[in-house]
Amino acid sequence: EPEVTQTPSHQVTQMGQEVILRCVPISNHLYFYWYRQILGQKVEFLVSFYNNEISEKSEIFDDQFSVERPDGSNFTLKIRSTKLEDSAMYFCASRMSQNNEQFFGPGTRLTVL
Amino acid sequence: KNEVEQSPQNLTAQEGEFITINCSYSVGISALHWLQQHPGGGIVSLFMLSSGKKKHGRLIATINIQEKHSSLHITASHPRDSAVYICAVISSSGGSQGNLIFGKGTKLSVKP
Repeated sequence: EPEVTQTPSHQVTQMGQEVILRCVPISNHLYFYWYRQILGQKVEFLVSFYNNEISEKSEIFDDQFSVERPDGSNFTLKIRSTKLEDSAMYFCASRMSQNNEQFFGPGTRLTVL
Repeated sequence: KNEVEQSPQNLTAQEGEFITINCSYSVGISALHWLQQHPGGGIVSLFMLSSGKKKHGRLIATINIQEKHSSLHITASHPRDSAVYICAVISSSGGSQGNLIFGKGTKLSVKP
């Protein structure tokens, strides 16, 4: 069964460093999302991506964040200069169309020291 | 103000019990998801529904659009059902691109 994959599963970085979180959505899906979950809190929306551009972003998704779909299969989230408060689980999700459910990747746990 | 509220926050049940988790939302929606989050953190979609009722095995999800309320039921609960169950909605507002608005989750523990 096709699934969304994410790498790495766990990333530890120093404050101020750049990180890139990678996702491979399901191959025939057209809508892509990044969410994050700070430990002990609810999942929050970061950004949605469709037709090679950002379609919606939350107030969390500031200038430090960017997304890219560089090669038609990978979907990346870059954090330019990480802060302590960026420590969280980051989930990628994808879906085929507006009427279909979203499928989630296993998440990347980001720890900023 | 939380747009998606779940109750209860925590639920402990004995194996075999019938379980109900409730979700109320305050925004207009195009669809509602019930998700399961395992202790390791992974999220699995259980149901997506926009009206009526869906059933999958021992799980049943219902939604009442007029009352802005959904329930997730688990029949004959089992310890392997222990997880966090999350209600999430897709807003029907014009700008929404299908992103989910999440509730805080209900932590279910089923004792043998």
